[in-house]
Amino acid sequence: DTGVSQNPRHKITKRGQNVTFRCDPISEHNRLYWYRQTLGQGPEFLTYFQNEAQLEKSRLLSDRFSAERPKGSFSTLEIQRTEQGDSAMYLCASSLVVFVGTGGGVETQYFGPGTRLLVL
Amino acid sequence: ILNVEQSPQSLHVQEGDSTNFTCSFPSSNFYALHWYRWETAKSPEALFVMTLNGDEKKKGRISATLNTKEGYSYLYIKGSQPEDSATYLCAFSITSGTYKYIFGTGTRLKVLA
Repeated sequence: DTGVSQNPRHKITKRGQNVTFRCDPISEHNRLYWYRQTLGQGPEFLTYFQNEAQLEKSRLLSDRFSAERPKGSFSTLEIQRTEQGDSAMYLCASSLVVFVGTGGGVETQYFGPGTRLLVL
Repeated sequence: ILNVEQSPQSLHVQEGDSTNFTCSFPSSNFYALHWYRWETAKSPEALFVMTLNGDEKKKGRISATLNTKEGYSYLYIKGSQPEDSATYLCAFSITSGTYKYIFGTGTRLKVLA
């Protein structure tokens, strides 16, 4: 399967602990995104990489959150000193741009299955 | 704050029924509208991407339309089957130079056999 993969799929941790999630994108994609989905909400953007450069971070991404993509391939998302409010599904996506006419590119993001985090 | 709304939040239909959902989005700075299907324990699956007013896309029994002037998109499922049961998400992207998607809260569909 050459889709986006995420590990672990589930994580249960105690408040105050650190957790790290991994995302492996589709190999030829150079854009990688992290989203978070809480109960009853749609996925919300957290951060975005183009190759190894982190180009945008949401205000949702507090100082306790850090994301890296050291070699422009896989990415990690770390949450330090977890809080119960961090409990959510963390989704990773990678993208392919298809250029249409003389306009900009139309991008389809391909998602992984997510990591579900529960902070007790 | 840009907001994407989907309705209904959930619905149950009988196998064989046709159904449709709505996605409403801001009509200014529109760039593209995406539909995804998300089955439990699986990855969200891209269904359609639409960019032009009046766009219509079709994939098997599922189709979608786009009205960028009034800011809405419809997703239609003809002859629903139990395997269509999933959450259907729409996502909107804007022309501000950012590539992030703004998602709606989804419509949860359950097709009863």
